[in-house]
Formats: sequence, structure tokens, C-alpha cells
Amino acid sequence: EPEVTQTPSHQVTQMGQEVILRCVPISNHLYFYWYRQILGQKVEFLVSFYNNEISEKSEIFDDQFSVERPDGSNFTLKIRSTKLEDSAMYFCATAPRGTNEKLFFGSGTQLSVL
Amino acid sequence: GENVGLHLPTLSVQEGDNSIINCAYSNSASDYFIWYKQESGKGPQFIIDIRSNMDKRQGQRVTVLLNKTVKHLSLQIAATQPGDSAVYFCAENSPGNTPLVFGKGTRLSVIA
Repeated sequence: EPEVTQTPSHQVTQMGQEVILRCVPISNHLYFYWYRQILGQKVEFLVSFYNNEISEKSEIFDDQFSVERPDGSNFTLKIRSTKLEDSAMYFCATAPRGTNEKLFFGSGTQLSVL
Repeated sequence: GENVGLHLPTLSVQEGDNSIINCAYSNSASDYFIWYKQESGKGPQFIIDIRSNMDKRQGQRVTVLLNKTVKHLSLQIAATQPGDSAVYFCAENSPGNTPLVFGKGTRLSVIA
């Protein structure tokens, strides 16, 4: 069964450093999402991406965050200057057609900001 | 604001019993609902979905019930197995270009 692949599985960084989280979507999917989950809490929406531009973003997704699809296959989330409160599990999700359908999630990247 | 914390509601069931996990959703305009299962250290895994024009949908060992009047969703798992132990999230979607919104989650523990 096709899978969403995320790398790395774990990322440890110092506060103020930049991190890039990577995702390889399922090949025929057109809609891409980033969600995050702080330990023990619910899964929170960050951003959705379609046709090489952001469709929607939450208030969490401030100027420190950016997304891009640099090479037509990878989908990345960049955090420019990490803060302690950015520590969370970050999930990439993809969907074939967009809203009102199920999302397929990757296994996540555990980001720890020290 | 929302009451989110480190402690999830927990449901403990004996192996072989049926489980019922409940979810109250907030948006009366939501018309699509999904149940996800999340095992430790993994991403949410799709279990079953239902659209608002239905009130019940069955899968393999799972049934989702939707009560739009009281904005309530439930997941029933028949003959619960140890492998069903996980955190279960309901998620809702409303019309238009809106993202899937997750509920708070319930931890299911199956006692062998």
C-alpha cells in the first residue's frame, strides 16, 4: 500500500536554529498538509498546500514557518528559528483530491528543541 | 479556550468485549467525519469515515454512528483485541476549503 514517507524520524536542534522536515507524498496525491502534535495532546493543523501554493494556514503557522515543494516530489516544512515550544511530532499528510476526503499520514518527525 | 492537557480520557476493556468510543464535535456545518487510530510513535491511521447524509456505517469489526442532532459521533469496535490498544481521534471536515480538525482523543486499553 502506498505510504507517506517522512524524514528524519527524529530531529534534535538547538533553540534558534533552522530545521527542515521532509515528506514524500503518495505519488498521485495533489493536496499536502502539515499537522503537529505536542506530547499527549491532539493533532493540530498547520498548513495545507495545493498547486504549489498555500491553501490555508492556522494561527500556529507564523512567519517562522514555510513550506515548499522544491523538486516536484518532496514537500518540506521549514522552521527558521526554532523555539522551545516548537518541540512536537510533526506529521505530513496527503490526499488525492482535497477536502472532504481522508488524509493519509506519515509516521512523523519528532522534533526536540533544546 | 480549549481544555487540552497531558491526560487523555481512557477506556479500559476486556479482550473480546465491545468498545464504544465517543466524540462530541463542535461545528454544526461539518459534513464529513473520520475516525483515526494512533499507535505509540506512529501517525494517525484511517479506520472509517462517514458523511453527514448517513447515520451509520459499518466496516470490518468497526461501526461509526453519527447523531447530527446532538453533534455526536461514536466508534464501536466489536470483539476488541490487544492490537486495538491505541489512541483514537475523531476528525471533522466542513464544506469548502477547510482543513480536517481533530478532536481530543481517547486512549483505549485492552486488558488481556
